Amino acid sequence: GQNIDQPTEMTATEGAIVQINCTYQTSGFNGLFWYQQHAGEAPTFLSYNVLDGLEEKGRFSSFLSRSKGYSYLLLKELQMKDSASYLCAVSAVPYNTDKLIFGTGTRLQVFP
Amino acid sequence: SQTIHQWPATLVQPVGSPLSLECTVEGTSNPNLYWYRQAAGRGLQLLFYSVGIGQISSEVPQNLSASRPQDRQFILSSKKLLLSDSGFYLCAWSRGSSSGELFFGEGSRLTVL
Repeated sequence: GQNIDQPTEMTATEGAIVQINCTYQTSGFNGLFWYQQHAGEAPTFLSYNVLDGLEEKGRFSSFLSRSKGYSYLLLKELQMKDSASYLCAVSAVPYNTDKLIFGTGTRLQVFP
Repeated sequence: SQTIHQWPATLVQPVGSPLSLECTVEGTSNPNLYWYRQAAGRGLQLLFYSVGIGQISSEVPQNLSASRPQDRQFILSSKKLLLSDSGFYLCAWSRGSSSGELFFGEGSRLTVL
């Protein structure tokens, strides 16, 4: 079966650093994605990891360990606008990178 | 630039009534198209995807259907809605390349009463 696990909720303070973890067990692996979704809005793409290691993009970084079936999204210098749900998704179908399996999302609340 | 629109944004329908959600993509050709549903407390669930006109793959057995009458048009339908069909429906497109990035529409919130 396909399974993606991430914490349901997290809280953090403005200016701090937060790490959102994601573990997955899937029948195949073509890459791992992180999306951001503000309440009532559509998800927007944040990052894509296909090889082990850290990918940095501004205040956001994403890490992948394929052998451990593990990823994390690191958010630095948190801002109030970072309050949102963060969705971990895996592409598990051979030759079709776009068919993603999504986790339930982690709702992050940033407090002043 | 590419844009994606879906409508209606919100609708309230009685059980047993029909449904039609429409999605169109502009600024690109031959996109892969997707319908996802996001129920409360659950992750995004892939319902249908299409790699071309008239080509629809169903991911989950249900009373919903999808059609792609034109290259950049994707329609989600039901003949008789169930209470369990309530949710947030998202249309998305991708280039079908190895990037895997999905571009989502604004979403349609369906409440079945």
